[in-house]
Amino acid sequence: GAVVSQHPSRVICKSGTSVKIECRSLDFQATTMFWYRQFPKKSLMLMATSNEGSKATYEQGVEKDKFLINHASLTLSTLTVTSAHPEDSSFYICSARAADSTDTQYFGPGTRLTVL
Amino acid sequence: QKEVEQDPGPLSVPEGAIVSLNCTYSNSAFQYFMWYRQYSRKGPELLMYTYSSGNKEDGRFTAQVDKSSKYISLFIRDSQPSDSATYLCAMSAVSGYSTLTFGKGTMLLVSP
Repeated sequence: GAVVSQHPSRVICKSGTSVKIECRSLDFQATTMFWYRQFPKKSLMLMATSNEGSKATYEQGVEKDKFLINHASLTLSTLTVTSAHPEDSSFYICSARAADSTDTQYFGPGTRLTVL
Repeated sequence: QKEVEQDPGPLSVPEGAIVSLNCTYSNSAFQYFMWYRQYSRKGPELLMYTYSSGNKEDGRFTAQVDKSSKYISLFIRDSQPSDSATYLCAMSAVSGYSTLTFGKGTMLLVSP
């Protein structure tokens, strides 16, 4: 159990375009989903926390107009990188926290974004 | 001082060795402690979850928490080449409501 999927696993786009990444909890309901960014050989950097049905809470330094997060249901959250630039190239990972209120987060497999 | 300190490694051991991975932290409010394993270009996978101080064992893995020293450990017995990965410690203060604070991760290499 506790499987989180992400789609796509890899995406290459041109500078200036927008990219949407989906995060789904497959076998549990996730009241909270998190979006992280990870640079090579670095730890996870939390970008934002999203609760179902409400606006996401962004970490300091993360542009909310650039990284749009929607958490429309208890099993789906999306991250849209708008007007992508090469510096947005990174590994984006989502996680989901189950509605059973433990702090365990289950991570998706990640999405590798490359902006040309 | 960073909230969570973790030696990045790499830690290289021969197959069959006992591996000890550690994190120290400064926030005494942390009560929930986790270890994640991350293979290259994959998302982290939860290995162990513990609450407060004490030990927890799951197969070849043992997690230890010493809140008085603000020190947590993950032991891997009979290490295998398939254990080669980056191990991230994570912790939080309030169950169900707070975000996780991660260490930078320790890269482990187990040679056959």
